[in-house]
Amino acid sequence: EPEVTQTPSHQVTQMGQEVILRCVPISNHLYFYWYRQILGQKVEFLVSFYNNEISEKSEIFDDQFSVERPDGSNFTLKIRSTKLEDSAMYFCASSVGPGQGSYEQYFGPGTRLTVT
Amino acid sequence: KNQVEQSPQSLIILEGKNCTLQCNYTVSPFSNLRWYKQDTGRGPVSLTIMTFSENTKSNGRYTATLDADTKQSSLHITASQLSDSASYICVVSGSNDYKLSFGAGTTVTVRA
Repeated sequence: EPEVTQTPSHQVTQMGQEVILRCVPISNHLYFYWYRQILGQKVEFLVSFYNNEISEKSEIFDDQFSVERPDGSNFTLKIRSTKLEDSAMYFCASSVGPGQGSYEQYFGPGTRLTVT
Repeated sequence: KNQVEQSPQSLIILEGKNCTLQCNYTVSPFSNLRWYKQDTGRGPVSLTIMTFSENTKSNGRYTATLDADTKQSSLHITASQLSDSASYICVVSGSNDYKLSFGAGTTVTVRA
């Protein structure tokens, strides 16, 4: 069964450094998402991406964040200058159609980002 | 602001017993409601998706109900198994945007 994959599984970085989290969505999916989950808290939407552009973003997704689909298979989340409060589990998800169309979103296993 | 509230926050049940989890939401206009199962340290896995016109949907031992008029949903787990121990998250999508609104989850612990 096809699945969303994410690398690395755990990333440790120092405050102020740039990190890139990588995701490979399911191959025939057209909509891509990033979510984060701070330890012990609820999953929060960050951004959705369709047709090579951001379709929606939350207030969390400020200028420090960017997303890219560089080569037609990978989908990346970049944090330009990490802060301590960026420490969280970051989940990538993908779907065939948009969220409001009841299309199932498949989540990856997550990348645990620790900022020290 | 779109809200999704779940109860209880956690519960412990004995293997083989049933349980019901609750979800109330204020997302409007409403598109669909999903229940996800999240094992510790893993990504959420979809159990059911229901639209406005659906009242109930089953996936094996999981049965979800939806009352779109009162904006309430429930997830019923029948004949629980140890592998059902996880967080169960109610997620609602509005019809105006792409994002999903997540509840905080109910942590279910099944004991032998």
